[in-house]
Amino acid sequence: GAGVSQTPSNKVTEKGKYVELRCDPISGHTALYWYRQSLGQGPEFLIYFQGTGAADDSGLPNDRFFAVRPEGSVSTLKIQRTERGDSAVYLCASSLMGGLNSPLHFGNGTRLTVT
Amino acid sequence: QKEVEQDPGPLSVPEGAIVSLNCTYSNSAFQYFMWYRQYSRKGPELLMYTYSSGNKEDGRFTAQVDKSSKYISLFIRDSQPSDSATYLCAMSETGANNLFFGTGTRLTVIP
Repeated sequence: GAGVSQTPSNKVTEKGKYVELRCDPISGHTALYWYRQSLGQGPEFLIYFQGTGAADDSGLPNDRFFAVRPEGSVSTLKIQRTERGDSAVYLCASSLMGGLNSPLHFGNGTRLTVT
Repeated sequence: QKEVEQDPGPLSVPEGAIVSLNCTYSNSAFQYFMWYRQYSRKGPELLMYTYSSGNKEDGRFTAQVDKSSKYISLFIRDSQPSDSATYLCAMSETGANNLFFGTGTRLTVIP
């Protein structure tokens, strides 16, 4: 594909439920990032993958949040026992090599609403 | 205090005006400075990228970094209605994996 693809584009779930958000990075990009953007705010870093491994997960807010990238391409962000405060747009980005010399390409995000 | 401060606006200007967008920051270790444009319901797209201090120009866009004042700016010349979007500044330390974003400034260019 031409860009970073995120599915679903919108997700509405009830408080306490489990959700999975998917990210398809640009082909050949080894680095993958997840950010969260709350209404009226800038994106906040969650986690960074280099290849299959989570190189930096310091932004994950608590242990309800987990992300995987088993084959070094597609990534899934998993949120357990969702809370209303988890409502936000979850953005995925990929870059060719990782590190800040390599520009980040963002997807259009998954808009998560927890009711 | 947030690491990066940005006036959320909104900012409305007539077509053809020069637009000035600004951010301040507190972390003197920031070395990489970026500006992203975000259209409604879309992901951010990189506009300008600067390392350390100085100016960078790309077409109608000029980015300036003043590390002594911890202040960065983006200027848009001859603004167009298609420039209407939210502009996010972002910055990071050397060797870091994450960007710190401002809250974004919403810009409307009126035809």
